[in-house]
Parts: sequence; structure tokens; C-alpha cells
Amino acid sequence: EDQVTQSPEALRLQEGESSSLNCSYTVSGLRGLFWYRQDPGKGPEFLFTLYSAGEEKEKERLKATLTKKESFLHITAPKPEDSATYLCAVQGVSGGYNKLIFGAGTRLAVHP
Amino acid sequence: DAGVTQSPTHLIKTRGQHVTLRCSPISGHKSVSWYQQVLGQGPQFIFQYYEKEERGRGNFPDRFSARQFPNYSSELNVNALLLGDSALYLCASRYAGGQETQYFGPGTRLLVL
Repeated sequence: EDQVTQSPEALRLQEGESSSLNCSYTVSGLRGLFWYRQDPGKGPEFLFTLYSAGEEKEKERLKATLTKKESFLHITAPKPEDSATYLCAVQGVSGGYNKLIFGAGTRLAVHP
Repeated sequence: DAGVTQSPTHLIKTRGQHVTLRCSPISGHKSVSWYQQVLGQGPQFIFQYYEKEERGRGNFPDRFSARQFPNYSSELNVNALLLGDSALYLCASRYAGGQETQYFGPGTRLLVL
């Protein structure tokens, strides 16, 4: 069964204090791994898609990396506006349709 | 270009009632999926529609149904509402044609009393 586990559940950082969020997954044939940002009461906002182990993508202070078993979202010198819940999701080949399996998310709070 | 739009934004119903939620995908996107997100959890897959046909269904009871129209917009219907159906309902659209990324709308917050 496809599964995603995110850690930590919550993370508190000081502004400028870099850190990493972890996403461990098991999937029967990875079609894609996705990172989203979600603000309270809003829909998930797309950040990155990764397709194969060794792939990396960057956007401003965020960098996502992928191995065969996990993905990391690195946050460099975060600012208070980076505070949000970060969701990781995978899509496998089973079922033949586009079903995303999400983790429970990491709640990030960045304090000035 | 406009993103995925959903209506209504908020809804309050009582147990046993029926609800219809609506979604318009990004222009050019032919695939629409529905997800349910309970507070504190990640979204859970309910349905995927592509070219007006159901392509996948998650582990939800038959009280949940959906359809997709010729303009690729979609409706999610839930009958005989239960307190446990209270959640944020999310619609996501995808271009298809090899592009796997799904883009989400703002969601509809449903409260069942």
C-alpha cells in the first residue's frame, strides 16, 4: 500500500535559521513526488514536482531533493512569511489513475 | 490565467441533508480530482474524472458521487450528510498529456451540524 510519512509534525524556527523537512514514502512505482504549501483555511499551493532519484529543484529559499525512499525540503534563511503547513504527496503507478497520497504535513512557524 | 475556482467557499448543512460542490478547472485542463481534508490531516482522494468519465475512486461510501461536464467543470455531490463529513473539500485540475502536477483550488469548507 502506498504511504507517506512526514517529520517533524511541527517545527519552530527563528528567522534565518535553516532546516529541513523530511518526507518518507513507499510506493509501487513512483510517477511523481510533490511538495505543496498550505496556509490555514486555504487550498494547497504547488511548489515542486520530482520524478526520479537524484533530482533537485529550487525556488527562492526552498530546495527539494529526492532519493528512492525519501524527499527533503530544505529551507534556507527562512522568513516569517514562510510559516505554513508543508505537504508532501506521491503518485504511484497502481490503479492507472492520478491519485495523490498525502502525508499529514509539517507545520512550520518562523519567528522574527 | 485564472486558477482552479470552487464554489461556494463556505457551507453549513444539517445531518441528513444533501450538498453539491462545484469546481472549474484551469483553462485547458481536462482532468479534475476531488479530495477531502479533515482538520490536521493531509487531503484524501475521493474521485478523478477525465474527459467526463470517472477514472478513479477512493475509499468513500456511495453517498459520495461526482460528474464532469463537457466544459470540464465538475460537481461533487454528498447525500445523507453525517457529522463526519465536515471538512475542507478540494478540487484539483491537471493538464494531462504527460504532465502529472495537480493544481488545487481554494476549497469549500463544509460544516455539518
